Amino acid sequence: DAGITQSPRHKVTETGTPVTLRCHQTENHRYMYWYRQDPGHGLRLIHYSYGVKDTDKGEVSDGYSVSRSKTEDFLLTLESATSSQTSVYFCAISDHSGTYNEQFFGPGTRLTVL
Amino acid sequence: AQKVTQAQTEISVVEKEDVTLDCVYETRDTTYYLFWYKQPPSGELVFLIRRNSFDEQNEISGRYSWNFQKSTSSFNFTITASQVVDSAVYFCALSLETGANNLFFGTGTRLTVIP
Repeated sequence: DAGITQSPRHKVTETGTPVTLRCHQTENHRYMYWYRQDPGHGLRLIHYSYGVKDTDKGEVSDGYSVSRSKTEDFLLTLESATSSQTSVYFCAISDHSGTYNEQFFGPGTRLTVL
Repeated sequence: AQKVTQAQTEISVVEKEDVTLDCVYETRDTTYYLFWYKQPPSGELVFLIRRNSFDEQNEISGRYSWNFQKSTSSFNFTITASQVVDSAVYFCALSLETGANNLFFGTGTRLTVIP
């Protein structure tokens, strides 16, 4: 299994509070991604990173920010959580070696915003 | 724009039956990759297979097989002799060689295998 951990695994918070989710990898992969999973939508990309301090927006980036100060860590921040951000959040990594483009996923974080 | 459609929301089969999960994709890129992931009730995403757009050869892995047809933009997944452990949500996904290489997911098909 790819070495990807996410913390916390579960979190309940209140509307308006800031929340930070952490993704940690031990694979030294260049690319890291944050997705959210919602019923009826599959997984959708929030933000991604293609290197230290290099990040860009995905399909559903509004209300989220990210940071990557080290290769192994990719943080997702909800500056002021809203109930619409209740979801399961998955981190993924990829090294894009050759033609594979394979992504490995972390175990997920279930976030509930009350 | 890229899009993946999994029209079957839920499927139920009796154990030992064969079942095919459909996946139709849209992209204008000529180089792309197709994936299937399994999400069991425990919630993790398990990689099953990757195919690139230049390789239309079908693949078989044990009870699993995949049929990739560019002519119909489909990448279907068949489980033969289904088992209860196959019960999961299955996602088809697409990524491009250009850009961020992120995955575009379908909405998933929930497969329930009844003992």
